[in-house]
Amino acid sequence: AAGVIQSPRHLIKEKRETATLKCYPIPRHDTVYWYQQGPGQDPQFLISFYEKMQSDKGSIPDRFSAQQFSDYHSELNMSSLELGDSALYFCASSPDPKYEQYFGPGTRLTVT
Amino acid sequence: QKEVEQDPGPLSVPEGAIVSLNCTYSNSAFQYFMWYRQYSRKGPELLMYTYSSGNKEDGRFTAQVDKSSKYISLFIRDSQPSDSATYLCAMSENAGGTSYGKLTFGQGTILTVHP
Repeated sequence: AAGVIQSPRHLIKEKRETATLKCYPIPRHDTVYWYQQGPGQDPQFLISFYEKMQSDKGSIPDRFSAQQFSDYHSELNMSSLELGDSALYFCASSPDPKYEQYFGPGTRLTVT
Repeated sequence: QKEVEQDPGPLSVPEGAIVSLNCTYSNSAFQYFMWYRQYSRKGPELLMYTYSSGNKEDGRFTAQVDKSSKYISLFIRDSQPSDSATYLCAMSENAGGTSYGKLTFGQGTILTVHP
């Protein structure tokens, strides 16, 4: 069965640089969520989209922005990167907000 | 205090043991309850999904939800070394809630099943 695809899988950036993370949801899933997981921590919700509209926003820094495109894929844009942004970034998709979420393999971002 | 509390363990059991993992929560708006398994540096893998109170069984896994006590459990029967991972409980609110769909996770329990 098709799963959530995230790219790139690994990304190394320097402080103050910009990064773009991409997420391709499971086919026919129109709801996308972004989570950040620091070392030894549980995933923290960043932002979500339902039918290409932002549906909820969590503890996402103003330096980050995201959108969902017409084909339902989503991109998380991160600017002015800081050392503390180093983490695993997961995308999850769902056919509807009331249904279970399926996670992608994650993008490991390292900021040096 | 976190909305969802989970004993981080670590939990170490012999192969074949029954494992019990638990979470408590404080937000009465939570209606959807999930258990995820996460191997090191991998994405969380959905194990069980339940709506409201009750039990659900899937193979060696049984999920229980007691909304009156704000308590959920995951039982793993005949545990295997391949079950060694971090187990995360997660919950979300019902439609109409302020954070519909967003998952709130427990801290995760590290489980090791030794042969």
